[in-house]
Amino acid sequence: GAVVSQHPSRVICKSGTSVKIECRSLDFQATTMFWYRQFPKKSLMLMATSNEGSKATYEQGVEKDKFLINHASLTLSTLTVTSAHPEDSSFYICSARPDIYYGYTFGSGTRLTVV
Amino acid sequence: RKEVEQDPGPFNVPEGATVAFNCTYSNSASQSFFWYRQDCRKEPKLLMSVYSSGNEDGRFTAQLNRASQYISLLIRDSKLSDSATYLCVVSFSGGYQKVTFGTGTKLQVIP
Repeated sequence: GAVVSQHPSRVICKSGTSVKIECRSLDFQATTMFWYRQFPKKSLMLMATSNEGSKATYEQGVEKDKFLINHASLTLSTLTVTSAHPEDSSFYICSARPDIYYGYTFGSGTRLTVV
Repeated sequence: RKEVEQDPGPFNVPEGATVAFNCTYSNSASQSFFWYRQDCRKEPKLLMSVYSSGNEDGRFTAQLNRASQYISLLIRDSKLSDSATYLCVVSFSGGYQKVTFGTGTKLQVIP
């Protein structure tokens, strides 16, 4: 089945530093990947849609300069949280869809804690 | 109106009970529909896709009503292991992909 690998699974960083999260499709090519954020006991919120070879599409209210997305190849998208603040602490998850006949496969998520 | 709406629950049901969740969506052009299951502090996992003709997988039955713009999930003979949050997902793929999640319905199966 389709597998999406996400790293790291857990990261603790200091305020003001940047954190990079990787999302890889292991056995399929993904021209589009999605990045979500989930706060405790809240629903998944789409942050941005990552497009291979072009700029990401950000949802309203998501700062593109703070959450940098790079989708340089058909199997890798990265999300960089720049100048992290404690309020950025959350569960970040990526997903991709192998083709129109499949549902969306999720990475295992990254739990970010900014101290 | 939210794009995808679900009753957040929680639904507390005894083992063996039958429970049903509904989910409504606002974009009539939506094309793909799914139910996901999310356990606490884990990523969502696909439970089943939802087709116009309805589909069944063991104890789980999903249905789509395009006219009324809702999808449903029925769980029969609930097990303790069914306790989780069930997410309704609606997707649109017209030139670009847009995926919208419901807020989830929490199910707690009680011994």
